[in-house]
Amino acid sequence: AQSVTQPDIHITVSEGASLELRCNYSYGATPYLFWYVQSPGQGLQLLLKYFSGDTLVQGIKGFEAEFKRSQSSFNLRKPSVHWSDAAEYFCAVGVSYNTDKLIFGTGTRLQVFP
Amino acid sequence: EPEVTQTPSHQVTQMGQEVILRCVPISNHLYFYWYRQILGQKVEFLVSFYNNEISEKSEIFDDQFSVERPDGSNFTLKIRSTKLEDSAMYFCASSGDRAETQYFGPGTRLLVL
Repeated sequence: AQSVTQPDIHITVSEGASLELRCNYSYGATPYLFWYVQSPGQGLQLLLKYFSGDTLVQGIKGFEAEFKRSQSSFNLRKPSVHWSDAAEYFCAVGVSYNTDKLIFGTGTRLQVFP
Repeated sequence: EPEVTQTPSHQVTQMGQEVILRCVPISNHLYFYWYRQILGQKVEFLVSFYNNEISEKSEIFDDQFSVERPDGSNFTLKIRSTKLEDSAMYFCASSGDRAETQYFGPGTRLLVL
């Protein structure tokens, strides 16, 4: 069965530090991969997505993610974190052709200290 | 930029009551979805809808749940007889085609007492 694992439940970084949020997926074929961000009390905002092509994808707010098929990973990175990046981050896999649903990971809560 | 909207933002109801959650998807989108997020847990798929019929539903989406597109713009989720465990944030999403990005609304927080 398809699944998404986000090993880090909670990460704390200092403002200006680099960030990497981990995501691993389980799926037999090439998945569609997404990162969404959820600020407190808000909905889910798409940060970036991977469908095909270049395995390094750029998103909004200075985020990027790299698809590594050999590691079944799609880690999210940002070189310098801002205090406004504090939020919950969800990795999701879309398994198409026979289903449209997104399967989400459990999320990583990012806390940013000044 | 077009966005998905949902009403109400919050709803409190008594156990056993019916609730209808409303969503207005992005206007040219054809695929519609409901997800829910129980407090502190991950977002879970409930149902997908295309061409006026359900294309897929999860185990959560039992006979108490139904979806409808009553007109050209709204997409609704009805829970016929709410249970305490239905308390959650419910998200509507839409996409232009299969395997395309799903855009999420801000959610409706449902509290069943």
